[in-house]
Amino acid sequence: DAGVIQSPRHEVTEMGQEVTLRCKPISGHDYLFWYRQTMMRGLELLIYFNNNVPIDDSGMPEDRFSAKMPNASFSTLKIQPSEPRDSAVYFCASSLEGGGDSPLHFGNGTRLTVT
Amino acid sequence: SQKIEQNSEALNIQEGKTATLTCNYTNYSPAYLQWYRQDPGRGPVFLLLIRENEKEKRKERLKVTFDTTLKQSLFHITASQPADSATYLCALETTDSWGKLQFGAGTQVVVTP
Repeated sequence: DAGVIQSPRHEVTEMGQEVTLRCKPISGHDYLFWYRQTMMRGLELLIYFNNNVPIDDSGMPEDRFSAKMPNASFSTLKIQPSEPRDSAVYFCASSLEGGGDSPLHFGNGTRLTVT
Repeated sequence: SQKIEQNSEALNIQEGKTATLTCNYTNYSPAYLQWYRQDPGRGPVFLLLIRENEKEKRKERLKVTFDTTLKQSLFHITASQPADSATYLCALETTDSWGKLQFGAGTQVVVTP
């Protein structure tokens, strides 16, 4: 199993541009999570899906952020327009089942820099 | 609001010794607690899970304890090795926020030969 795959690994963009981050979860995992990690705030949950349906997006910081999961093997996180304060490492994770007794499998993240 | 605290200072330890990390939480009624390891430039990797009705869990050189009265979990690495150097994060899911895992800021461990 290749694990959770994220692309790109690094993204540098200018303020105001649209950014799209991509994630392929582990096959058979029903839950997909998007987290953001910064030095100041640590790992923050942005949104999670169950069977491709968004369940909780209360962590999405603003309307500039949107996430989709068109099928079981693909999800995107979009920021439009991007701002310097969005600079962070964005992680996608998947789990077999939901709940705190189901470990998360993380990708290696996308490091986003907005100048 | 819910809060998870881990020692922000790096833990420097000599090879062969036991490293002990602390995870304290407030305003929680945790059903589960998980520990992850994160290496630079990589995503967190799951290590151990302990349930609220369990006192202790072991996996090879790792041991986790869970004291719901003290609202604290301890994470031990016995016979530490330089390869254990990483940041270790605890994560909690509460009984009233099913599906949402909240992470502590992590503690960096540096094991020197």
